[in-house]
Formats: sequence, structure tokens, C-alpha cells
Amino acid sequence: EVQLVQSGAEVKKPGESLKISCKGSGYSFTSYWIGWVRQMPGKGLEWMGIIYPGDSDTRYSPSFQGQVTISADKSISTAYLQWSSLKASDTAMYYCVRLVDYGGNSGDYWGQGTLVTVSS
Amino acid sequence: DIQMTQSPSSLSASVGDRVTITCRASQSISSYLNWYQQKPGKAPKLLIYAASSLQSGVPSRFSGSGSGTDFTLTISSLQPEDFATYYCQQSYSTSLTFGPGTKVDIK
Repeated sequence: EVQLVQSGAEVKKPGESLKISCKGSGYSFTSYWIGWVRQMPGKGLEWMGIIYPGDSDTRYSPSFQGQVTISADKSISTAYLQWSSLKASDTAMYYCVRLVDYGGNSGDYWGQGTLVTVSS
Repeated sequence: DIQMTQSPSSLSASVGDRVTITCRASQSISSYLNWYQQKPGKAPKLLIYAASSLQSGVPSRFSGSGSGTDFTLTISSLQPEDFATYYCQQSYSTSLTFGPGTKVDIK
């Protein structure tokens, strides 16, 4: 069974750093792109970027380039999303998603989400 | 970035109604269009990929059509479990983008 299991909720202060994780199981982790999606409270879905764990090829959406870092450790089938200095506006739910190539990337399996709260 | 728009932004409907949601891309994306359903407090779920292909396990009352810049998601007979927010997403560009969503609630 394909599963993406994300790390737990975080409460941080502005300026702090953070790294959240997404562990894949039940499939070949190195053969599928993994994406990260932000959902701010009461708002829609936003793609942040994608990574191919097989070779760590990473693509960022323009709005998130330079704001976050996406990485992966294929030895433990885990993808990461990290911030070096959090802002209150980073408060959101973050989802990881496996992308399957149906002639274009489609998110067929999603993690349960990690809620990040940034508040002084 | 390719911009995606959806209409309407919300709609009220009754069980059994036929519901149609429209998605438009800012440039041609061929058939590289997916539809997702999201219920409150849950992760999105893939319904339709490549504009018109039904994801495994999704009820056949959901269907998608379109190509180029204009796409539709149709629910042929709305069921109680279908009240949710629906998003389109283009996969033509590696800089993926979602539409703003359409909330379907109970009339």
C-alpha cells in the first residue's frame, strides 16, 4: 500500500528554522516526483515545488524560489521541506504528494499534512 | 506561470442535481489538466487526470472534458459525500499551478 507519512504539527517563533518531513513507503521512492503544497488557513492550494528523489532534481515555483528548500534522502525514502527563517505568513498546512506521470504530473497519493504555526 | 481560473467560485446545489464547474488556463495546456476534491480538514483527492480520465476508485458520476484552455468537471447526480471544494491543476508546465477552487455546498 502506497503511503506518505508526514511529520507532526509544529509551533515556532518568527525567525526560527524548521524542517518537516514526508516518508514514502509501498512503492519505489526514487521513481516518482514528490511535490509540496501549501494551504494557508481558509485558502486554496499552492504548489511550492517538486523533487525527483532518484537524482534530487528540484524545481521551485517562482513564488517560493529562495523562500524554502526542498530536499530528499533516498536512503530513507524521505523528502523534506525546510525554512531558514520563518515568518508569521508561513503559518499553513503543508502537504506532500506523489506525482504520477499520466502524461503530465498528477498527485495520486497525498500525505496527511503538517500544520505549521508561526507566532510570537 | 500558467494562470488557472475557475467558475463559479462557489455554488449551492441539491442532492441529485447535475453540477458543472469550469476551469480556464491562461494559455493552451493541451489535455494536461487534473481535478481534485478536498473536504474540510482532509488532503485533496485526485478525481480526474489528463482532462477526462477517471482516477481508479472514483465514482463514474464524475467526468471531465475539454482541451486547450477550457475544461469542465461534471458531477452527473450530486451525492451527499460530494459537498466539498474542487480544484483544477495544470501539469503542462513543470511549474504546476492550481485554480482557486470551487466550493460546492448544500442548497
